[in-house]
Amino acid sequence: AQSVTQLDSQVPVFEEAPVELRCNYSSSVSVYLFWYVQYPNQGLQLLLKYLSGSTLVKGINGFEAEFNKSQTSFHLRKPSVHISDTAEYFCAVSAPYGQNFVFGPGTRLSVLP
Amino acid sequence: DAGVIQSPRHEVTEMGQEVTLRCKPISGHNSLFWYRQTMMRGLELLIYFNNNVPIDDSGMPEDRFSAKMPNASFSTLKIQPSEPRDSAVYFCASRPGTGGHNEQFFGPGTRLTVL
Repeated sequence: AQSVTQLDSQVPVFEEAPVELRCNYSSSVSVYLFWYVQYPNQGLQLLLKYLSGSTLVKGINGFEAEFNKSQTSFHLRKPSVHISDTAEYFCAVSAPYGQNFVFGPGTRLSVLP
Repeated sequence: DAGVIQSPRHEVTEMGQEVTLRCKPISGHNSLFWYRQTMMRGLELLIYFNNNVPIDDSGMPEDRFSAKMPNASFSTLKIQPSEPRDSAVYFCASRPGTGGHNEQFFGPGTRLTVL
């Protein structure tokens, strides 16, 4: 079974500042890793995913994430945030032959002017 | 492609009434998922289907909840009778294939309010 931890439930940050949203997972097998974003009153949409290969993954809207197997982490980063990045961000894992995702509890990013 | 379609987008009902939420997955997707999102409990998986067959319904809260997928292009989630604690946003998602590398595509959700 897999589990996902997002230690920060809320992250306030000023516009144009860098941000890192943390994600740690546990699994007895290799997993695929995903970050989703949910804007207010919308469904979740994929930001990026790690399947294999380079541990640094680039996604939409200037976000990137780095897979660290030894630390079982997949932290999301952006060097300069905008007001429009205000949203909730979910980390998720999926086993190679799994039917299902396991989602973390989410981190609410608030970008302040 | 229109993406995952959910209806209605908003539903307000009174306690004890039956509620039916509808979902049309993306054409060609094999798997369909129903989630519930609340402030207290976050995003919870209720049930998922693979090729129209329910695979895991362990997340369904109780017998008041039921889900069907009569064909590859339609699914329903029914609550009967509804209770105020069922108030939440319900999401449907679909996924191509069965491999773990495939992402889920989410609908816009149905906001349910039970008075």
